[in-house]
Amino acid sequence: QVQLVQSGAEVKKPGASVKVSCKASGYTFTSYHMHWVRQAPGQGPEWMGFINPSGGSTTYAKKFQGRVTMTRDTSTSTVYMELSSLRSEDTGVYYCARGYDTGGHFDYWGQGTLVTVSS
Amino acid sequence: QSVLTQPPSASGTPGQRVTVSCSGSSSNIGSNYVYWYQQLPGTAPKLLIYKNNQRPSGVPDRFSGSKSGTSASLAISGLRSEDEADYYCAGWDDSLSGVVFGGGTKLTVL
Repeated sequence: QVQLVQSGAEVKKPGASVKVSCKASGYTFTSYHMHWVRQAPGQGPEWMGFINPSGGSTTYAKKFQGRVTMTRDTSTSTVYMELSSLRSEDTGVYYCARGYDTGGHFDYWGQGTLVTVSS
Repeated sequence: QSVLTQPPSASGTPGQRVTVSCSGSSSNIGSNYVYWYQQLPGTAPKLLIYKNNQRPSGVPDRFSGSKSGTSASLAISGLRSEDEADYYCAGWDDSLSGVVFGGGTKLTVL
């Protein structure tokens, strides 16, 4: 069965960076894009971008360009999302989600990683 | 301010039929598929409807989706207490070149 298992909660100070991992299993890792979606407390989801695990190419939402980096390790079927220059507004739950064909179609989600940015 | 507009709340009694609306524009709903997600408290969103009106396996046929022009709707018939959750619409936006979500509708089963 498809599983996406994310790394644990993080507490960071403003200006720092955070790197969240998402380990995939139960399917061919390189056959599906992996997206990252975040959700601030009490807010709706916000799409951050995706990585194509096959070649490593990335597409980032305009809002996060310059601050986000998505990478992958095909030997461990793991994708990573690093967000830099953290500010308090970056506090929220970060999800990886498997993309299925067209944009907005996420058929499996990780359990989420809470990132808290606080001085 | 979300690109896709949803009412913040909706409610119904068990057995009733409720609908949740999602309004967009020609660059998103008007030209691309709509997806619906259900989010129970403390859990990740779950795909409920894909490509406007298709249900993934395991999703009860009480849930249905439709789209007309730049708006979409999610209908839930035979409302049950376990349907109490947040519901989000989503889709691709050609102008933003990215996925956009609605702000969410909190469904209360009275």
